[in-house]
This record gives sequence, structure tokens and C-alpha cells, in this order.
Amino acid sequence: DAGVTQSPTHLIKTRGQQVTLRCSPKSGHDTVSWYQQALGQGPQFIFQYYEEEERQRGNFPDRFSGHQFPNYSSELNVNALLLGDSALYLCASSWGLAGGNTGELFFGEGSRLTVL
Amino acid sequence: AQKITQTQPGMFVQEKEAVTLDCTYDTSDPSYGLFWYKQPSSGEMIFLIYQGSYDQQNATEGRYSLNFQKARKSANLVISASQLGDSAMYFCAMTGMNSGYSTLTFGKGTMLLVSP
Repeated sequence: DAGVTQSPTHLIKTRGQQVTLRCSPKSGHDTVSWYQQALGQGPQFIFQYYEEEERQRGNFPDRFSGHQFPNYSSELNVNALLLGDSALYLCASSWGLAGGNTGELFFGEGSRLTVL
Repeated sequence: AQKITQTQPGMFVQEKEAVTLDCTYDTSDPSYGLFWYKQPSSGEMIFLIYQGSYDQQNATEGRYSLNFQKARKSANLVISASQLGDSAMYFCAMTGMNSGYSTLTFGKGTMLLVSP
């Protein structure tokens, strides 16, 4: 049973560039959430996708956008990269919007982005 | 709004001993869920244990147990018989009814080091 998978695992970009990160949810899950984890901090919620629509969004600028595909996989896009965007980006999946009500919230290994 | 506080930046424990990692929370949600995750240096956020706010009994998962004291708003993680592989960052997190149980709020984490 495949868990949550993310790609790429590591990448380096320069300021002003754009980046796309990918996530495949755990088998049986249909909801994907993205989190940003800066060094030494806990993860912060970016947004959540369900039925190919953004359902909830955290306090992140419009430079952060996403997409969910019919197979439930998801992409996170960040435009006009800033040095402060350097972080570990984590994807979490669940079944249904209220996955947190049952404890069924599982994370991938993350994509570590470095912006130079 | 939800808030998670983890007051122990680091904890040391000897192998085979038990250790308690502290977590207090604040929320206005009448119903909520509490999570503990382990994050090794690889970055993956590994689910350990979940406690629903209306669960009558404290959650247990193998060597992990959650000491849930609702009146004190605390959700401490107890690891029995520590192993060297338990060395990692540990995060307490919560979700709630007002967010549709779909987003997690994390604490800043506690670094646990297990020595031989």
C-alpha cells in the first residue's frame, strides 16, 4: 500500500524563478493539503484540494497556487520565488474533507526547496 | 483560532527509559482532534497517535500513549521503553470543527535524543 509520495525530493532555484512540486495521495485518499515548514519551525498550512477545487487556504500570497487532478494527485506552484520561500514543502492526504476527525491524515517525505 | 504550545525545545532520555513530551493547546472549537507526529532528519512527518476530544479513553499505539487531560488542555505524548531510533523531532498538532477537521495547526516541536 503506497503512502503519500512527493517529487522532487530536493531542488534548488534562484530568486524570481517558478517551481512546481507534485504529490500523490495515499491509496484510498481523495483530499490533499500542502504545508510549508521553515527551518526550525512547525509546518504551516498553505491550502487544501478536494474534488479538484481549492477548499481552504492559509495565510499565503497568491504566488502560491495549486491544482488537483482527477486521479487525486496534486501540484503546488510557487511563482516569483523569494529567498524566504526556502523550506520543506509537505503534502498530506486524507479521505474526505474531514480527515482530521478520524486521525487519517498522513504526510509524504516532503520536497526540500532552496532558493538562492 | 487554535494554538499549540510545546515548551520543551529538547529532551534527553536513556535507552529503555520512558519519556514524556509536553503539549498544551488552546481552541474555541467544541470538538477537535489532537495528533502527534515524528519527524526524523529525512523530513517525513510520521503519524504516531490520534486523540479525539470526545474519546473517553486515552489513545495508545504500541509504545506510544497520549495522556489527554481535557480540563488542563494538555495532550502529552508518553514513549515507553525508548529506542535509539526514537531520536527525532516530535510535533503536536490539532484540528477542529471550525476548520472542518481539515487543517492542522502545529507546535514548534521537541527534539528528542535517545542515548545508549
